[in-house]
Amino acid sequence: SQQGEEDPQALSIQEGENATMNCSYKTSINNLQWYRQNSGRGLVHLILIRSNEREKHSGRLRVTLDTSKKSSSLLITASRAADTASYFCATDAGYSTLTFGKGTMLLVSP
Amino acid sequence: KAGVTQTPRYLIKTRGQQVTLSCSPISGHRSVSWYQQTPGQGLQFLFEYFSETQRNKGNFPGRFSGRQFSNSRSEMNVSTLELGDSALYLCASSLSSGTGGEKLFFGSGTQLSVL
Repeated sequence: SQQGEEDPQALSIQEGENATMNCSYKTSINNLQWYRQNSGRGLVHLILIRSNEREKHSGRLRVTLDTSKKSSSLLITASRAADTASYFCATDAGYSTLTFGKGTMLLVSP
Repeated sequence: KAGVTQTPRYLIKTRGQQVTLSCSPISGHRSVSWYQQTPGQGLQFLFEYFSETQRNKGNFPGRFSGRQFSNSRSEMNVSTLELGDSALYLCASSLSSGTGGEKLFFGSGTQLSVL
């Protein structure tokens, strides 16, 4: 079963615009991670945020976590065509076991 | 440092056959986990191995099995293939203390097609 559910399912923007993706989850978590997947390839870890953190930054990425609402958001600022990919949130059940959402497909047009 | 290597990259099998997929983790990583990705079900956890022991298993039938060798390399096996087993199978490795918060490093996957 899916723990995280991303919203929207698909997002199309122009280069230079910001992209925001949201993730909701069902059970209590210790941390939440975001991954990126280019078409048909493996996933790449982007950022991890712990349950006692509310916001985290990494380069052009900003992640927020609201444990009271069981939700997280990923903001990509100043998007580039190379950001075109699917983005997944994942909650951690320990022992390297991640439960992924269905992902948001982001298309950034030049 | 070499990344996670999965072989083969593509595989075509027929129903009823069995298949073995291979994964070599990043050097020093002792945890290897496997995920199945399909358009319908998304990414689903199969199992995780650490130091040759299966520590966790997802909700998949017994036709799906795996093992890990002393050098941390891992294989997964699917017996009596069904059409629904067509998927991208992803392997990931991590240092893994088992306490959570582990960053996973994924391979490029094996695309399995069952005809």
